Amino acid sequence: AQSVSQHNHHVILSEAASLELGCNYSYGGTVNLFWYVQYPGQHLQLLLKYFSGDPLVKGIKGFEAEFIKSKFSFNLRKPSVQWSDTAEYFCAASGTYKYIFGTGTRLKVLA
Amino acid sequence: NAGVTQTPKFRILKIGQSMTLQCTQDMNHNYMYWYRQDPGMGLKLIYYSVGAGITDKGEVPNGYNVSRSTTEDFPLRLELAAPSQTSVYFCASSRDPTETQYFGPGTRLLVL
Repeated sequence: AQSVSQHNHHVILSEAASLELGCNYSYGGTVNLFWYVQYPGQHLQLLLKYFSGDPLVKGIKGFEAEFIKSKFSFNLRKPSVQWSDTAEYFCAASGTYKYIFGTGTRLKVLA
Repeated sequence: NAGVTQTPKFRILKIGQSMTLQCTQDMNHNYMYWYRQDPGMGLKLIYYSVGAGITDKGEVPNGYNVSRSTTEDFPLRLELAAPSQTSVYFCASSRDPTETQYFGPGTRLLVL
């Protein structure tokens, strides 16, 4: 069955720390991968996406993600987080089958 | 270009009452979705639509109904509100079922 797993449910970091949020997927056929972000009190918005090509994808606000096909992973990274990155982050997959969201990772950045 | 808009932003319902959550998009997207978001549970798909006049059930459709008479509007109806329907409801739209979804600001619903 298709699924998207985010293993870190809550992450707390200090400002300037590096971030890596895990995302693993199980999805047959061609897959498109996304990271969405939900800032406190706001709606989800796209952070970055991967459809094909360069497996290292750069998004807004200094975020990037790497698609590793052999590991079925699409981890999100940022070298130095800011207080304003405090938000909930959702990984998602789409393709032949339905659009699937992970359960989300709540990131809290301490000033 | 307003994107996806939702009304109301917040509503309190008594058990057994009914209400309609409104959703409108101005991007001419064929695909529209209703999700509910509960703490720690991510997004659960309630209903979706692939175009005007065509709707289908998602993961958690019980207690809800939808209609899609125009491309722009996709209202969600709760007929007999129950405490289990306390949640935040998001509407979304996309041009294609595999591409980026654009979300509305959400409706926070409390059923007492």
